[in-house]
Amino acid sequence: ILNVEQSPQSLHVQEGDSTNFTCSFPSSNFYALHWYRWETAKSPEALFVMTLNGDEKKKGRISATLNTKEGYSYLYIKGSQPEDSATYLCAFHMTPIYNQGGKLIFGQGTELSVKP
Amino acid sequence: DSGVTQTPKHLITATGQRVTLRCSPRSGDLSVYWYQQSLDQGLQFLIQYYNGEERAKGNILERFSAQQFPDLHSELNLSSLELGDSALYFCASSVVGSPTYEQYFGPGTRLTVT
Repeated sequence: ILNVEQSPQSLHVQEGDSTNFTCSFPSSNFYALHWYRWETAKSPEALFVMTLNGDEKKKGRISATLNTKEGYSYLYIKGSQPEDSATYLCAFHMTPIYNQGGKLIFGQGTELSVKP
Repeated sequence: DSGVTQTPKHLITATGQRVTLRCSPRSGDLSVYWYQQSLDQGLQFLIQYYNGEERAKGNILERFSAQQFPDLHSELNLSSLELGDSALYFCASSVVGSPTYEQYFGPGTRLTVT
């Protein structure tokens, strides 16, 4: 059974704290890993698409790294702000089989709450 | 606003009925994905279309079907509805069918089956 695990499930930090969370995924048949930011009552918003082992991506105060050999990705937020409060989801894309697209499996998300 | 539109926003229907959810992708995007988010489960991938053809299948029930039309809009048909089908249904679009491209999510359709 393919599983994508995110930890921690939730995180409460103070404004200004830096934080990080983990997405663990199968290390075989890796094709891509997506990170999304999902605010309550809104739809998921794409943060990063990561494809190569060792990839590091950055968008403002948020960055992510990827290790496909051991099957994990880290998401970092530097100097958290209240507006960073959201659920952060990762999604693992399997290698497409033959001419079919690969399966896509989401983690359960890490819920981040940043207090002013 | 991602540029992906979904209609209707809310739908309330009875068990056994059939409904159709509609999705219009961002201008220029060829691929559409459908997802289900129910209370007890996270986001589940249902099905992907690329330029009118089915590209990948996830946990889509046999009672559900989808298609993508020549104008690239997509419809998700849910039939013989059960209480457990109550969920938020998202569609997302991307430029091409490859998972190496970002997906842009629509606002979702909330389906309530009573």
